[in-house]
Amino acid sequence: GEDVEQSLFLSVREGDSSVINCTYTDSSSTYLYWYKQEPGAGLQLLTYIFSNMDMKQDQRLTVLLNKKDKHLSLRIADTQTGDSAIYFCAENQAGTALIFGKGTTLSVSS
Amino acid sequence: DVKVTQSSRYLVKRTGEKVFLECVQDMDHENMFWYRQDPGLGLRLIYFSYDVKMKEKGDIPEGYSVSREKKERFSLILESASTNQTSMYLCASTTGASSGANVLTFGAGSRLTVL
Repeated sequence: GEDVEQSLFLSVREGDSSVINCTYTDSSSTYLYWYKQEPGAGLQLLTYIFSNMDMKQDQRLTVLLNKKDKHLSLRIADTQTGDSAIYFCAENQAGTALIFGKGTTLSVSS
Repeated sequence: DVKVTQSSRYLVKRTGEKVFLECVQDMDHENMFWYRQDPGLGLRLIYFSYDVKMKEKGDIPEGYSVSREKKERFSLILESASTNQTSMYLCASTTGASSGANVLTFGAGSRLTVL
């Protein structure tokens, strides 16, 4: 079955770049997503990328997609303490339910 | 501001009790979902619904049922709560579009403790 894998923890210093990686197994995935969960809250969508794209940039966020290797990454430039959260990678085919990874806890120290 | 509202943020129940978790969305979304979130396990899909009175099992439906009598409301029911159902429960909704990105809007979560 489909699977989405992420490392569980990442620790960075304030001002550094953070890179959160994700691999997925379903080669027919149409969309890939990054969600953020702050403490005590639900998930909120950060960004998503269509599978025929290899990069998407939105302010401090850069998403890279390597479809051949089924690898997705989220880069956060100039990481701030407010970026501390759990980041979830997810994928789906159009019209189907999302499959989520287990989440990467990002810890930002000042 | 569009919303998914989970009426109970924190609940404490006893083993064997019947538990109702309520979720309401105001976006006229067709699709609604219930996930549970556990440390180290991420989000697991319990049930989802693509329309009123319609339901589909997710990956871990055992011990749960759902009700969708109105489009805006999707209820998760634990018929007889057990301690292994202690978890964070997340409700989400999205439009029913068969193409395009499936952007979920999540509620804030309901943290259930079963003693």
